[in-house]
Amino acid sequence: DAGVTQSPTHLIKTRGQQVTLRCSPKSGHDTVSWYQQALGQGPQFIFQYYEEEERQRGNFPDRFSGHQFPNYSSELNVNALLLGDSALYLCASSAQARSNTYEQYFGPGTRLTVT
Amino acid sequence: GNSVTQMEGPVTLSEEAFLTINCTYTATGYPSLFWYVQYPGEGLQLLLKATKADDKGSNKGFEATYRKETTSFHLEKGSVQVSDSAVYFCALAEAPNFGNEKLTFGTGTRLTIIP
Repeated sequence: DAGVTQSPTHLIKTRGQQVTLRCSPKSGHDTVSWYQQALGQGPQFIFQYYEEEERQRGNFPDRFSGHQFPNYSSELNVNALLLGDSALYLCASSAQARSNTYEQYFGPGTRLTVT
Repeated sequence: GNSVTQMEGPVTLSEEAFLTINCTYTATGYPSLFWYVQYPGEGLQLLLKATKADDKGSNKGFEATYRKETTSFHLEKGSVQVSDSAVYFCALAEAPNFGNEKLTFGTGTRLTIIP
């Protein structure tokens, strides 16, 4: 049973560019959440997708957008990159039908460096 | 809003020492509480959880008890091993609400165990 997978593993971009990160949830999961983890900090919630719609959003600007596909996989897009966007981006998946467990499974993350 | 405050690190202990990492929280309602662990170069792994007051979560020799009266969820282990070296995050999820699984994390505590 494959867990949560993310691609790419590492990415280097220049200020002002745009980036797309990808996530495939664990088998049987239908909800994907994205988190940003700056160096030395705890993860910060960006947004969550369920049934191909953004259901919740954290305190992140509109430069951060996402998408969920019919197969439950998801993308995170960041436009007009800033140096401060450099971080580890984590994807987590869960299953709504069993949401009372509040158990989210995390992927290994994508390390984004903005120069 | 919700917040999690955890003991600042880094924490360095000798093998077989007793471990306590403090965690307190602020939340409305009755959140679920979690400890996640992040090994070097990896994503987050759920270590243990508790979903209501006085519940004790346990896994791999680690324990934490949900204390509503002190709004705390301290992590303990009686005898640590070198393999326990990692960063530990305390986190909470809001009270049950369909699909509301946003996690709020503390800043993390880096633990190093020396032989």
